[in-house]
Amino acid sequence: DTEVTQTPKHLVMGMTNKKSLKCEQHMGHRAMYWYKQKAKKPPELMFVYSYEKLSINESVPSRFSPECPNSSLLNLHLHALQPEDSALYLCASSQVLVIAGELFFGEGSRLTVL
Amino acid sequence: QQQVKQSPQSLIVQKGGISIINCAYENTAFDYFPWYQQFPGKGPALLIAIRPDVSEKKEGRFTISFNKSAKQFSLHIMDSQPGDSATYFCAATTFRLIQGAQKLVFGQGTRLTINP
Repeated sequence: DTEVTQTPKHLVMGMTNKKSLKCEQHMGHRAMYWYKQKAKKPPELMFVYSYEKLSINESVPSRFSPECPNSSLLNLHLHALQPEDSALYLCASSQVLVIAGELFFGEGSRLTVL
Repeated sequence: QQQVKQSPQSLIVQKGGISIINCAYENTAFDYFPWYQQFPGKGPALLIAIRPDVSEKKEGRFTISFNKSAKQFSLHIMDSQPGDSATYFCAATTFRLIQGAQKLVFGQGTRLTINP
């Protein structure tokens, strides 16, 4: 099983709503990532969890709140978002190694903020 | 210094032709260079990767050429097929990771179209 599963695939929310994006992997990876991707742009790193602890936060606004409940799950809680936050949100995972290896990406959750 | 510059932004190649995408970097601390392929509606997937201790790496129809002195690397797709139509991102990072986490710096992407 080499899949990273993200739900929901599509999400429309108002600026006052609270919603969550979910990501799950069963590859035994202990590093999990959130990326944001705007149309025709590369993915931008938001957060990295290593061994369920937040290891990298790329100065993301607090209206995005990540959570890693266990080694297989990663959530991104959304609150008071702005229309410019509309994007494809990608989850990825990798082995926690000393040396670089493959990142496995999910298909993403396409978020529209009205 | 953290940037990776990628060109061209878009590329149209006839079936059977050679597709070439170029990338350049400034940060000499980078020593691992993966290429990711992304189809519409999908997440990126690792295609091929190289370290600077070799000048070329080939996997099937895909070849990375690396010029360490020029700080440039490129992806060549031989015998390009319509199924290769996708967006390609070069990336750079350090081979030895911090806390096992990878900080990939992506190029801006190249939208490749292979005409039948």
